[in-house]
Amino acid sequence: DTAVSQTPKYLVTQMGNDKSIKCEQNLGHDTMYWYKQDSKKFLKIMFSYNNKELIINETVPNRFSPKSPDKAHLNLHINSLELGDSAVYFCASSPGLADSSYEQYFGPGTRLTVT
Amino acid sequence: GQNIDQPTEMTATEGAIVQINCTYQTSGFNGLFWYQQHAGEAPTFLSYNVLDGLEEKGRFSSFLSRSKGYSYLLLKELQMKDSASYLCAVRDSNYQLIWGAGTKLIIKP
Repeated sequence: DTAVSQTPKYLVTQMGNDKSIKCEQNLGHDTMYWYKQDSKKFLKIMFSYNNKELIINETVPNRFSPKSPDKAHLNLHINSLELGDSAVYFCASSPGLADSSYEQYFGPGTRLTVT
Repeated sequence: GQNIDQPTEMTATEGAIVQINCTYQTSGFNGLFWYQQHAGEAPTFLSYNVLDGLEEKGRFSSFLSRSKGYSYLLLKELQMKDSASYLCAVRDSNYQLIWGAGTKLIIKP
């Protein structure tokens, strides 16, 4: 009965490969997010979707492409992986945008290591 | 630009009280959040402030002054399990969360 789940938890791959990270939430939330947390622990928003529509698209390389097949899922596909992509990627969800008090619920994170 | 400042690291003693400060400069303000993140784990929600004043929740309290762009998280009766990073985040006028880099709190026996 995990609220926000991500797979895989660990991902080790070589430069140049293409990989995907999956995220699912069973909270009935409308909004989902992808964050990148680098070695300095700084949490940086990458994308945000509300009801399957992209609402935040920060300056990230276009090698990163999010896909939201439905409200409960937000997947992240990364092409041509680079060493600098090594980080922990967190998926999160929140009830929506209408109420500023809504907190975000985070998944367990995916630790990506590019060699 | 938008900016959230927190101390990088703090050390405190078990059983004591510690105050973690956060100052912010954002385009608009729609609330301030504190999250706790243990090493290797996901951030978890601690508190939310949108009006000036103190919000108390058990051993943890959070204070906000909007005119000063300032908040603090107060942790009382510190326990070893409180060793973690504490993240301050502000929701701006676009309802986007702007995150601080976090304060690593080390608790010593």
